[in-house]
Amino acid sequence: AAGVIQSPRHLIKEKRETATLKCYPIPRHDTVYWYQQGPGQDPQFLISFYEKMQSDKGSIPDRFSAQQFSDYHSELNMSSLELGDSALYFCASSSNRQGKQYFGPGTRLTVT
Amino acid sequence: AQKITQTQPGMFVQEKEAVTLDCTYDTSDPSYGLFWYKQPSSGEMIFLIYQGSYDQQNATEGRYSLNFQKARKSANLVISASQLGDSAMYFCAMRVISGGTSYGKLTFGQGTILTVHP
Repeated sequence: AAGVIQSPRHLIKEKRETATLKCYPIPRHDTVYWYQQGPGQDPQFLISFYEKMQSDKGSIPDRFSAQQFSDYHSELNMSSLELGDSALYFCASSSNRQGKQYFGPGTRLTVT
Repeated sequence: AQKITQTQPGMFVQEKEAVTLDCTYDTSDPSYGLFWYKQPSSGEMIFLIYQGSYDQQNATEGRYSLNFQKARKSANLVISASQLGDSAMYFCAMRVISGGTSYGKLTFGQGTILTVHP
């Protein structure tokens, strides 16, 4: 069965640079969620989209922005990167906001 | 606000035995869902099992079952016949539906590291 696809899987950036993470949800899933998992921590919700509209916002820094496109893929844009942004970034998708959430493999971002 | 508590930082089990991972939750919302995910050392987050707050029966998925005790606000994961490949971090998570609007975001517990011994 098709799963959530995230790219890139690994990313190394320097402080103050920008990064773009991409997420391709499971086909026919209309809801996308972004989570950030710091080292040794549980995942924290960042932002979600339902039918291409932002549906909820969590502890997402103002330096980050995201959107969902017409083909339902989503991108998380991160600017002015800080060392503390180093984390595993997950995208999850579900069929409507009440469906089971399936996670992608994650993008491991390292900021040096 | 919603809260998930996993009080066992680490658990050990012998191969082929059963193990229970504890999870308690707190919410004032009557409609919610409870999830368990497995995170191996490779980092991916693998969906294991789901229980809705209005589900009458405890959820089961193969060797995984969820012991849902609504009055006690607990949703413990039971893994039967443990295998070496079950060694991983396990997260309990909750999703609430508030005020007629489904938000969908998950709130996670701190996780439990399970080690299966041969």
